[in-house]
Amino acid sequence: DAGVTQSPTHLIKTRGQQVTLRCSPKSGHDTVSWYQQALGQGPQFIFQYYEEEERQRGNFPDRFSGHQFPNYSSELNVNALLLGDSALYLCASRMQREGPDTQYFGPGTRLTVL
Amino acid sequence: DQQVKQNSPSLSVQEGRISILNCDYTNSMFDYFLWYKKYPAEGPTFLISISSIKDKNEDGRFTVFLNKSAKHLSLHIVPSQPGDSAVYFCAARNQGGKLIFGQGTELSVKP
Repeated sequence: DAGVTQSPTHLIKTRGQQVTLRCSPKSGHDTVSWYQQALGQGPQFIFQYYEEEERQRGNFPDRFSGHQFPNYSSELNVNALLLGDSALYLCASRMQREGPDTQYFGPGTRLTVL
Repeated sequence: DQQVKQNSPSLSVQEGRISILNCDYTNSMFDYFLWYKKYPAEGPTFLISISSIKDKNEDGRFTVFLNKSAKHLSLHIVPSQPGDSAVYFCAARNQGGKLIFGQGTELSVKP
């Protein structure tokens, strides 16, 4: 049983560009959350998707948007990239009816903005 | 505004001894606390949790203590093993169900 998978593993972009990161949840999971982890910091919640809708959002600007597909996979889009967007982006999945301790994280996508 | 703080960026412990990782929080409305472990090039892995209505939870070598009056929780690992070397994050769940993470503590267990 594959866990949470993310693609790509690494990505390099320049300021002003747009990027799309992808996440496939663990089998049986229907809820996907995205986190940003800057160097030396803990993960920061970006948003959560369930039933193809954004259910919760952290303190991130509208440049950060997402989507969830009928197969529960998800995308994170970031527009007008800034240097400060350089970070590890983590995807996590769980079943909506289960608690946060059942949340599984993927290995992350390392985004570097030059 | 850092609502969850791990003030020790790193900790070094001898194999077989106790490791104590600390975490402080400011929001008294947090209802659930979790510890995660993270190895390089991997995502965080859930380790142990505790509800705000309890003061202790134990799972094998791992015990989490919660002191609500001090808004402090700690993770004890006994005995520590070299494979425990990783970055440990504490996290707290707020009223909206979001997880707020601390900055992490890098634990090094030396043989």
